[in-house]
Parts: sequence; structure tokens; C-alpha cells
Amino acid sequence: DSGVTQTPKHLITATGQRVTLRCSPRSGDLSVYWYQQSLDQGLQFLIQYYNGEERAKGNILERFSAQQFPDLHSELNLSSLELGDSALYFCASSVEMRTGELFFGEGSRLTVL
Amino acid sequence: DQQVKQNSPSLSVQEGRISILNCDYTNSMFDYFLWYKKYPAEGPTFLISISSIKDKNEDGRFTVFLNKSAKHLSLHIVPSQPGDSAVYFCAASLSYSGAGSYQLTFGKGTKLSVIP
Repeated sequence: DSGVTQTPKHLITATGQRVTLRCSPRSGDLSVYWYQQSLDQGLQFLIQYYNGEERAKGNILERFSAQQFPDLHSELNLSSLELGDSALYFCASSVEMRTGELFFGEGSRLTVL
Repeated sequence: DQQVKQNSPSLSVQEGRISILNCDYTNSMFDYFLWYKKYPAEGPTFLISISSIKDKNEDGRFTVFLNKSAKHLSLHIVPSQPGDSAVYFCAASLSYSGAGSYQLTFGKGTKLSVIP
């Protein structure tokens, strides 16, 4: 158990819909990262938050947005969903270290039909 | 453009033998390299890392080698065990200004199967 909690574990929805994925980081971790893993793809970095502020953006679509709340939990909002958005979405958290060691949740599997 | 590449999608090794997983990168600014292991239905878990100023780091059965001139790193598992069967991701870290600011770039992974 990494200490990072993601909900829901599975989500099935239709094209054009909007969903929210939730992440609770490990106790004490200030940074939250969101990654997307599509079929046969590696983990694609989407966005990072540090103590409530956006710190870095990766390959995140404009239809996607995220935020980190004062209690440090984070939400990833995916809107106008397309079939290609079907993927595993991972949240990870970290302490203030330069080594890059992240603690990942078990992921939220999104299926868009 | 893929900055971190794992060219072997899969690898099969006999139990007790050595497993060697390879990774190439293009960005010379990466300052840490990491290996993560992922079992089905679980998130990736950190395995071992190496600073860009080192060429070897060892942790039990796991050793990571870094060849900066070739922009290549490898993970050696000796001896391989059936429980090592998983997908292994190579990742590279790039730090930037600000506390806690670094970005991990992952390869696509190599599925290791250790045959009893």
C-alpha cells in the first residue's frame, strides 16, 4: 500500500460526458502528479501541483483540468470525453526530494463508450 | 519525441539467471534515473534509482548501471525470481526551479517474465 488513494477505481461513461477523478496523497506529501497510461503507452505526464499551486504541465489536453485543494487532495476533471481518453489515470505524490521517487496510487480506469 | 526509450517490449528469463533490462535516453539534462516495477491492477512502485553523477547503484539483487556517454542505463536482476515477473518502467528525472519541482519522463515499459 503506497498510501496514495484514488477514486473511483473504475469508471464507464459515454462520449461527450464529464468525469472527475480524485486523489488523496500520502500524509505529508505536498506534491501531486497526474499521469495517463493508454494502451501500449508508457506513463504520460499530465500535470503537477505543489501545495495547492500548479507547478508543471505536461501533455494535458485543454479539455482536462486539475486542482489541488487546501487539504492537499487533488481532482482531475476530464470533459467532452472522447473514445481516445479511455486509459488508466494514475495519481502520485512525493516529498520534497530531487530524486524523483514518486508514490503511485492504484489508478482509475476510465472507459469511454 | 520520446526522450526515454525501452526498445524491448518483453523479456523472458529462466529462474535463477540474470535479467537485463535496457533503457536509452536523449536528454543530457536528466539528473536522476529510476526504475519502477508494476504488477497488474497496481500502481507502479519505485525500485531503484541512480544519480547522473554515478555509474552504478546496487540494492540487493538489483543493480542499475548508467553510461552517460552512451545515454544508456540498464537494470540487472540477479538471480531472477518468478515474483520479479512484472512490467518494468525506466524513468528519468528533470528538476527545475522551485521546491519539489521535478518531472519524471517514463519509457513504455518492458514486460519481464521469469520462468520457473
